[in-house]
Formats: sequence, structure tokens, C-alpha cells
Amino acid sequence: QITLKESGPTLVKPTQTLTLTCTFSGFSLSTSGVGVGWIRQPPGKALEWLALIYWNDDKRYSPSLKSRLTITKDTSKNQVVLTMTNMDPVDTATYYCAHRLEMATNVPFDYWGQGTLVTVSS
Amino acid sequence: QSVLTQPPSVSEAPRQRVTISCSGSSSNIGNNAVNWYQQLPGKAPKLLIYYDDLLPSGVSDRFSGSKSGTSASLAISGLQSEDEADYYCAAWDDSLNGLVFGGGTKLTVL
Repeated sequence: QITLKESGPTLVKPTQTLTLTCTFSGFSLSTSGVGVGWIRQPPGKALEWLALIYWNDDKRYSPSLKSRLTITKDTSKNQVVLTMTNMDPVDTATYYCAHRLEMATNVPFDYWGQGTLVTVSS
Repeated sequence: QSVLTQPPSVSEAPRQRVTISCSGSSSNIGNNAVNWYQQLPGKAPKLLIYYDDLLPSGVSDRFSGSKSGTSASLAISGLQSEDEADYYCAAWDDSLNGLVFGGGTKLTVL
């Protein structure tokens, strides 16, 4: 059974760096093809893809946010970490991590975490 | 403004059929598979349709997907109150080199 859970601060100040952790079980990020992604959703708005990391450490980022994002993995801990620099109130959103079975671009996110709401405010 | 265009809302009566459209371009839907997600109120998204028209295990066959050219559609037949949710399409965009989502469609079962 695959599960994912996001953790991190619920409140960050503008200009600060956000660090979110996705802790998962039921699969390994050392298995060929497997990936974990981050997606966010501002309150009342649409989903927005942020980043992906694969078993082989291949990383992909949203072009519009690439300069602010870093995604890393700790295979031994079954964790994926997303950092986002220079946070702004417009970054207030629920942040989700999700599992991807294969590396191909068409592969869906088949399992999602419950999400964590991050508010950016001074 | 989302790269993939969906109607903001649709509504239909119980037991009827509704379709939700997702319009894109040759760099996304025209060249890549479409996946659909259902997001119930206050919940995380759930995979509903993948690779244009395939149902994950456990998803009701009242849901179906299709694609033609640069547009895709999600159809829900035999509408039930529990189908009230937001629905999102998604596809990889070769030009942007990233995953794009539609703006979401809120389904109301009258």
C-alpha cells in the first residue's frame, strides 16, 4: 500500500525559504523508473505542478519557478524534500507530493499525499 | 491563465450524463497523453483517467475519457451526488518541458 505524507511549516514569512518533506511508504525511490513530484494549489484555485525527482536523481522543474526550487531525495529515509526560496504571499497554497510509477512524461500521479497548507504572511 | 482550458463549471441532474472538455495545443494534448483527476471537497486529488481513456483499478466505469487532436473530454454517466467535485485535466507540454494542468471544472449535480 503506497502512502505519502507532507510535512513542514504551516506559516512562513515573506522572503523566507520554505522546506517541505514528503515521507512515503509502500515503494522505494531506488526502484527503476519511480518518481515523486510536488504539486501545489492556492486556496480556491487550480493545481500547479512544481517539481519531479526520479529514482536515478533526474530532476525536472516548473519553468516558471525553476530558479526558486530545489528537489532532493533521501532514499534511505524514504523522503523527498522540496525547498522554495524567497517566499511571497502568492505562494500561499496547499502543497501535495505524489507518486509516479515510471519516468515517461505521460505517466500520471497515481498516489497523492493529503497535502499541507502553507501560509505566507508577516 | 492555465495552458489547458476547461469550463469553470458544469451542472446536470442526477442519473444524467455530463461531459467536461479540456482544450490544449499540439505541444501538450496533441502530442501527449491526458490524465484526469477528481478532487472531492477538502480532499487531495485522485487519479480518475490515465493515458487518455484508461480507468485505474477501483474507478467506476461511469467515468470515461476520450481525446481527439488537441482536445480531450471526460464523460460521467449516471450522475450521482457523490460525483460533485472539481475535475482537472493534465498533460505534459513539450514546449514548456513541464506538466500542465487545466484550470479545473466544478461539477454540480442538481
